[in-house]
Amino acid sequence: GQNIDQPTEMTATEGAIVQINCTYQTSGFNGLFWYQQHAGEAPTFLSYNVLDGLEEKGRFSSFLSRSKGYSYLLLKELQMKDSASYLCAVRDSNYQLIWGAGTKLIIKP
Amino acid sequence: GAVVSQHPSWVICKSGTSVKIECRSLDFQATTMFWYRQFPKQSLMLMATSNEGSKATYEQGVEKDKFLINHASLTLSTLTVTSAHPEDSSFYICSARQTGASSYNEQFFGPGTRLTVL
Repeated sequence: GQNIDQPTEMTATEGAIVQINCTYQTSGFNGLFWYQQHAGEAPTFLSYNVLDGLEEKGRFSSFLSRSKGYSYLLLKELQMKDSASYLCAVRDSNYQLIWGAGTKLIIKP
Repeated sequence: GAVVSQHPSWVICKSGTSVKIECRSLDFQATTMFWYRQFPKQSLMLMATSNEGSKATYEQGVEKDKFLINHASLTLSTLTVTSAHPEDSSFYICSARQTGASSYNEQFFGPGTRLTVL
């Protein structure tokens, strides 16, 4: 079956760095997405990786290793507004998005 | 960036009534739109994939006669929850994939519709 694993919840301190991991097993691979979702709102796009390596976008970076079925989202200089759920999603061979359950990130002052 | 709207943003209805939710791509054409449902503290669950001009493809366990999807144009898809019951109360989110875009094919999400069935 298809499976996306990510931690349920993480806690970090304002100003610090946090890494949210995502491992996947899917039928084919056509890219990996990270989304941010604040409570009661729809997801918003953060990053997309299709080749191995690191993609940096401001305070957020995303890494992919296709051979390991692994990705992480790195958040630097954490701000209180970064408190949200972070969803990892993989697009399979049918171009369907397979979603992880999300990681709830709690930022403490 | 591409914008997707949903209407209404929230709705409260009585059990047994039907509710229609609209999803519009405002500044791009979307051949494919997706309908998701999300229960509290859970991840998105894909309900169906809607292709313009053809029948929607429903995920396993989703009743197509209960959740009617119409994608009549390249900018509008509708989801009708028929004979709604309290267990249908959820956050319904649509997303749209831009027609003719690169292989990147990001999905753009609407703001969601919160349905409460009394």
